[in-house]
Amino acid sequence: GQQVMQIPQYQHVQEGEDFTTYCNSSTTLSNIQWYKQRPGGHPVFLIQLVKSGEVKKQKRLTFQFGEAKKNSSLHITATQTTDVGTYFCAGLQAGTALIFGKGTTLSVSS
Amino acid sequence: KAGVTQTPRYLIKTRGQQVTLSCSPISGHRSVSWYQQTPGQGLQFLFEYFSETQRNKGNFPGRFSGRQFSNSRSEMNVSTLELGDSALYLCASSLVVGETGELFFGEGSRLTVL
Repeated sequence: GQQVMQIPQYQHVQEGEDFTTYCNSSTTLSNIQWYKQRPGGHPVFLIQLVKSGEVKKQKRLTFQFGEAKKNSSLHITATQTTDVGTYFCAGLQAGTALIFGKGTTLSVSS
Repeated sequence: KAGVTQTPRYLIKTRGQQVTLSCSPISGHRSVSWYQQTPGQGLQFLFEYFSETQRNKGNFPGRFSGRQFSNSRSEMNVSTLELGDSALYLCASSLVVGETGELFFGEGSRLTVL
């Protein structure tokens, strides 16, 4: 079945450093979504990528969808303590449900 | 508008018992999905419902079941509880089904099985 792998599992950075999490699917995806879950909270939608090679930016966050629509990345520039949480990618294959990766937990020290 | 509401928020059961969790989606959302979240395993897909029909089902044993009512509210049931069923059960609703469905999650129901 469809699998979505996400690396790294954990990442600790100093405030101001950059952070990247990577997502790979075993199958071609219709779209990919990214969610953020703060400690003790529930996942919150960040963005959806649909087109091959698509790049979207939200302030310090940059999202990319690979040309083959099988991988994606989230890059945060100059992390802040408010970026702490777990970032999940979730891939959608036509006719199936949204499948989540295991997430990357980001911790930031000031 | 009100978000996704899940009840109960916390519950403790013993092995062998059964449990029913409830989810009320955002008004107007007809798609409801359920996920199990455990440490280190991320969110594992359980079911997806749309207009009272199960559209997709994850790789969970038959002890896990669900349904959706005509008002889009959904319930999931776990019978013959096992210790490994301890988890946060998240419900999410979506305005559309499939290709462009952003999920709105509830706060979850945290189940502890003793």
